[in-house]
Amino acid sequence: NAGVTQTPKFRVLKTGQSMTLLCAQDMNHEYMYWYRQDPGMGLRLIHYSVGEGTTAKGEVPDGYNVSRLKKQNFLLGLESAAPSQTSVYFCASSYLGVETQYFGPGTRLLVL
Amino acid sequence: GESVGLHLPTLSVQEGDNSIINCAYSNSASDYFIWYKQESGKGPQFIIDIRSNMDKRQGQRVTVLLNKTVKHLSLQIAATQPGDSAVYFCAGVDPNTGNQFYFGTGTSLTVIP
Repeated sequence: NAGVTQTPKFRVLKTGQSMTLLCAQDMNHEYMYWYRQDPGMGLRLIHYSVGEGTTAKGEVPDGYNVSRLKKQNFLLGLESAAPSQTSVYFCASSYLGVETQYFGPGTRLLVL
Repeated sequence: GESVGLHLPTLSVQEGDNSIINCAYSNSASDYFIWYKQESGKGPQFIIDIRSNMDKRQGQRVTVLLNKTVKHLSLQIAATQPGDSAVYFCAGVDPNTGNQFYFGTGTSLTVIP
């Protein structure tokens, strides 16, 4: 099992550009999450999904969109990147909501 | 919003000593907590969890203690090893949502050989 994988590992964008971060899990988990991690702050939830075809907003959803067309994949989109979106993005999954979340290795995003 | 906070941002211990990392949480209704370890450049890794119907839970070299009276939990690492050097943070389930966690900022543990 690969667990949770994220693509790409690192990306540099210019302000206004768009991109999609891909998260994939092979554990047949129902729940998937996107977090951002910034220095001096705890992980903050951007969006999450409780199952294929469903998405919901987290704590900091503005400027991001998500899609869960397949159970194993959860996409995070930035339509018009801003420097404030410079961060490390982590995807996580869990079988049910209130239990251990398994995290991917992260995507480092730099917006210039 | 709900919060968890760690008491010390950094902690240094000698190899072989025991480490104690503390965490306080804001909502007494939180009933599930997880400790994660995050090594540099990697994603968080599950260490141990505890539910509110327990005061203590033990794993391999790790113990989590939960004090619901003062809304405090701690992670104890026995015989700390150089490989234990990492950032440790706690997470608690947000009772307002029931399916989301709020995360602490982390304590950076350095093990001195």
